[in-house]
Amino acid sequence: QQQVKQSPQSLIVQKGGISIINCAYENTAFDYFPWYQQFPGKGPALLIAIRPDVSEKKEGRFTISFNKSAKQFSLHIMDSQPGDSATYFCAARGTSGSRLTFGEGTQLTVNP
Amino acid sequence: NAGVTQTPKFQVLKTGQSMTLQCAQDMNHNSMYWYRQDPGMGLRLIYYSASEGTTDKGEVPNGYNVSRLNKREFSLRLESAAPSQTSVYFCASSDRRSNTEAFFGQGTRLTVV
Repeated sequence: QQQVKQSPQSLIVQKGGISIINCAYENTAFDYFPWYQQFPGKGPALLIAIRPDVSEKKEGRFTISFNKSAKQFSLHIMDSQPGDSATYFCAARGTSGSRLTFGEGTQLTVNP
Repeated sequence: NAGVTQTPKFQVLKTGQSMTLQCAQDMNHNSMYWYRQDPGMGLRLIYYSASEGTTDKGEVPNGYNVSRLNKREFSLRLESAAPSQTSVYFCASSDRRSNTEAFFGQGTRLTVV
């Protein structure tokens, strides 16, 4: 069963636009929510992460918004650039164990 | 600092053949993982090892076995490969604390014909 659901599966945005990817989770024991970025032929790499004690975290053009009551979190990419074209995965991890559970992934294409 | 190293990078197997995917990390991490990545399915956990000497099943363990050889190395074995195991396999490692980054290898692209 998929404990972290991600949408959309694919996203096309124009250069300069805002990219938004959403995730929802079920397990209330999760307490760490990272986003990973993957370029073709490479392994995923950590982009930005948030703990549930804050509602938003911003790093440059990337922002995570977190809604604990709704069990949802999202990634916003401001001023999207062609170099942001990649696959993005949300994930979640809990204190009770070390396993990291991923969403299905979103393939982002930013057109020039 | 190599991070997480996987071998081989590419492999073609015939149905029924066996093989072992190797993974080693040099970051002194306690936890190691094996994932498979398939289009539209994301990264699905096959097995993980929270610490040296322990292994646990993930979401899709059938058809696979693992060995945590020591703190650095975590191998994944396919005893009798099937076409359904055609995928890209990723090894990852992390510190055991929940809020720490997982580092991934470059992946192994496996095709079973």
